Amino acid sequence: EPEVTQTPSHQVTQMGQEVILRCVPISNHLYFYWYRQILGQKVEFLVSFYNNEISEKSEIFDDQFSVERPDGSNFTLKIRSTKLEDSAMYFCATAGQRNTGELFFGEGSRLTVL
Amino acid sequence: KQEVTQIPAALSVPEGENLVLNCSFTDSAIYNLQWFRQDPGKGLTSLLLIQSSQREQTSGRLNASLDKSSGRSTLYIAASQPGDSATYLCAVLGTGNQFYFGTGTSLTVIP
Repeated sequence: EPEVTQTPSHQVTQMGQEVILRCVPISNHLYFYWYRQILGQKVEFLVSFYNNEISEKSEIFDDQFSVERPDGSNFTLKIRSTKLEDSAMYFCATAGQRNTGELFFGEGSRLTVL
Repeated sequence: KQEVTQIPAALSVPEGENLVLNCSFTDSAIYNLQWFRQDPGKGLTSLLLIQSSQREQTSGRLNASLDKSSGRSTLYIAASQPGDSATYLCAVLGTGNQFYFGTGTSLTVIP
């Protein structure tokens, strides 16, 4: 069964450092998303990406965050200068269609900011 | 803003019992609703997707219903097994192309 692959599974970083989280979407999917889940809290939407540009973003997704699809396969989330409150599980998700497609999630990347 | 609530927050049942998980949402203008399973420290596994025009979907021992006008969905699990123990999340896709998640129901099935 096709799956969404995320790396790294766990990253520990110092506050203020840059972090890049990577995702390999399901091959024929066109809609890509990042969500995050702070421990014990709801899964929260960060950003959606289609046709090489951001479609929607939440208020969480401020100037410290960016996304890109540098090589046509990987989909990355960059946090420029990490803060303690960025510690969370970050999930990549992909869908084949915009409003009717089933959303498939990766296993997540756990980010710990010290 | 869409608010999604799941009741109960936790549920413990003996093996073999049928059970129902509830999900409610405040804005009925949704495109679809999806139920997920999350094991501890793991990602979200899609269980069932119900389009806004549908009333229910079934997959094996799982049946999900949707009443869009009243803002409710239920996930019915028949003949529960210890392997069903996990957190179950519902999420609704509304305007803005983003899913809104509930906080989940933590299910424990006791052998």
